[in-house]
Amino acid sequence: AQKITQTQPGMFVQEKEAVTLDCTYDTSDPSYGLFWYKQPSSGEMIFLIYQGSYDQQNATEGRYSLNFQKARKSANLVISASQLGDSAMYFCAMRENLFGNEKLTFGTGTRLTIIP
Amino acid sequence: NAGVTQTPKFQVLKTGQSMTLQCAQDMNHEYMSWYRQDPGMGLRLIHYSVGAGITDQGEVPNGYNVSRSTTEDFPLRLLSAAPSQTSVYFCASSPGTFEAFFGQGTRLTVV
Repeated sequence: AQKITQTQPGMFVQEKEAVTLDCTYDTSDPSYGLFWYKQPSSGEMIFLIYQGSYDQQNATEGRYSLNFQKARKSANLVISASQLGDSAMYFCAMRENLFGNEKLTFGTGTRLTIIP
Repeated sequence: NAGVTQTPKFQVLKTGQSMTLQCAQDMNHEYMSWYRQDPGMGLRLIHYSVGAGITDQGEVPNGYNVSRSTTEDFPLRLLSAAPSQTSVYFCASSPGTFEAFFGQGTRLTVV
């Protein structure tokens, strides 16, 4: 079974609109973390936002917020007021620690294209 | 503060050759890992280390070796390169709790 699932291979969004990128996860670790990374065409991996499994409130970082629904095992990224520079690949990732082994697992990514 | 430094940035190998991808971090992080990124498959974990002297296999370890003699360095060795190992390789380090910091990546082509 996939640990991290991103069901949207690609999305096209009009500039200035909000966009939601979907991510669902599966783990038996009660203490886990969820991350979103951005990968522009230049190739580097840029950390955007983090949510811990015990965090009561949804994480926010500027225009990025994480819609964390623990019971549904989803951790969607919301980008408000999208900009042309937001065009990139976006990866959801999960950190878990099972049997003393800590691992960071990535989804397959969503390619976001912002249309002027 | 250099963060995570990967070398080389680009490499072309012939089938059967061996080489080492270097990764160094200056943040005193215990956790380091290697990923490969292939089109449509996201990043897949090759090997990881939770501290000096400790390494373990990830999702796709075959054909790769690692060692961790110091906190700073985590080299990835390709024993006998195969075309299936053509990929972009990322090294990452983390304090273990929050986000991982990534190197710039190494684009490897095996012909």
